Amino acid sequence: GAVVSQHPSRVICKSGTSVKIECRSLDFQATTMFWYRQFPKKSLMLMATSNEGSKATYEQGVEKDKFLINHASLTLSTLTVTSAHPEDSSFYICSATGGDTEAFFGQGTRLTVV
Amino acid sequence: QKEVEQNSGPLSVPEGAIASLNCTYSDRVSQSFFWYRQYSGKSPELIMSIYSNGDKEDGRFTAQLNKASQYVSLLIRDSQPSDSATYLCAVMGNDYKLSFGAGTTVTVRA
Repeated sequence: GAVVSQHPSRVICKSGTSVKIECRSLDFQATTMFWYRQFPKKSLMLMATSNEGSKATYEQGVEKDKFLINHASLTLSTLTVTSAHPEDSSFYICSATGGDTEAFFGQGTRLTVV
Repeated sequence: QKEVEQNSGPLSVPEGAIASLNCTYSDRVSQSFFWYRQYSGKSPELIMSIYSNGDKEDGRFTAQLNKASQYVSLLIRDSQPSDSATYLCAVMGNDYKLSFGAGTTVTVRA
């Protein structure tokens, strides 16, 4: 399958700081990227959908000013968690699709806010 | 909100047995269905996709889809300890968004 690279895999940050997570499609052009978060022993919760060159669409209950998403090119989307707090600690996962039905996932980022 | 329900598990099977996972979905217009495997602390890995009614086999995995019943299943034959993971059923809508079930944790006993 196609390769989606997510970086960093783990990050620890202090409360009040911002963290940027990158998601890259390495061997295909990702017209649409998705960002999920997952709490322990829970399923994936879709946060937002981003299309290259346009504003992200956020799911209900997700604060767009807190979770900034940029999809500047067909191979890169970024998620910035602004003014992070301990309750933002979670596993964040991106996925990408090139317009086919299959979506491929990045490796995930374990964010811990202390 | 599209709903995807999976048998709650956990499911424990002996090595070599068949593990059977079930999933139902609420959105009748869904056309694409996926099974992902997720190991603890890792992101989901696609193991099967199915788009039309009937069975689809890939190695030890068989997916079954019945759109009339809004039901999709996954069989794992000759289960191995390495199959121990959480299996996520996912349904894609016309907007390419995936809706996930809560997952079924499978443990294969050696």
